[in-house]
Amino acid sequence: DTGVSQNPRHKITKRGQNVTFRCDPISEHNRLYWYRQTLGQGPEFLTYFQNEAQLEKSRLLSDRFSAERPKGSFSTLEIQRTEQGDSAMYLCASSFTSAHNNEQFFGPGTRLTVL
Amino acid sequence: QQQVKQSPQSLIVQKGGISIINCAYENTAFDYFPWYQQFPGKGPALLIAIRPDVSEKKEGRFTISFNKSAKQFSLHIMDSQPGDSATYFCAAGSTGTASKLTFGTGTRLQVTL
Repeated sequence: DTGVSQNPRHKITKRGQNVTFRCDPISEHNRLYWYRQTLGQGPEFLTYFQNEAQLEKSRLLSDRFSAERPKGSFSTLEIQRTEQGDSAMYLCASSFTSAHNNEQFFGPGTRLTVL
Repeated sequence: QQQVKQSPQSLIVQKGGISIINCAYENTAFDYFPWYQQFPGKGPALLIAIRPDVSEKKEGRFTISFNKSAKQFSLHIMDSQPGDSATYFCAAGSTGTASKLTFGTGTRLQVTL
């Protein structure tokens, strides 16, 4: 399967704990995006990388959130001191972006439940 | 501020009928408008996308109609099938900048037999 993969698929944690999610984009895709989706809503943009550089962060991304994309390949999203409001599906998407192409392909997501 | 408004919230269509979902946007910098299909527990899957230089794009049973002056676009699913039952999201992006997508709130489609 050459699509976007995310691990773990599900994560249950207690409030105050730290969690880390991983995203492996489609090979050779230069852009990688993180979105958050709550029940009954559309995905909301969190941050994106062009290769290894993090170029934009949403206001939704509080100081407790940090994302990395070392070597421009896989990416990790860490949430420190989790809160119940962090419970959501965290989606990763990748694209090979050129002047005429902006197709983003999403992974299956990581569902986070904070107790 | 919601930049992409989607309607209806839910839709029930009989098998073989036409499903129509509408979206409206505010930001005139948007120049890329994809539609995604999402099944429960899965990530969104790209269905079809359009750019504002054309007013209509068709791929199989799926058609996007685009009205630049009204800042509206819609998805038409012809000959709807039970397998089309899913949540559909419109989105908008600006290829000139971050290319991040702003999504609508989704339409839950149910196709009945």
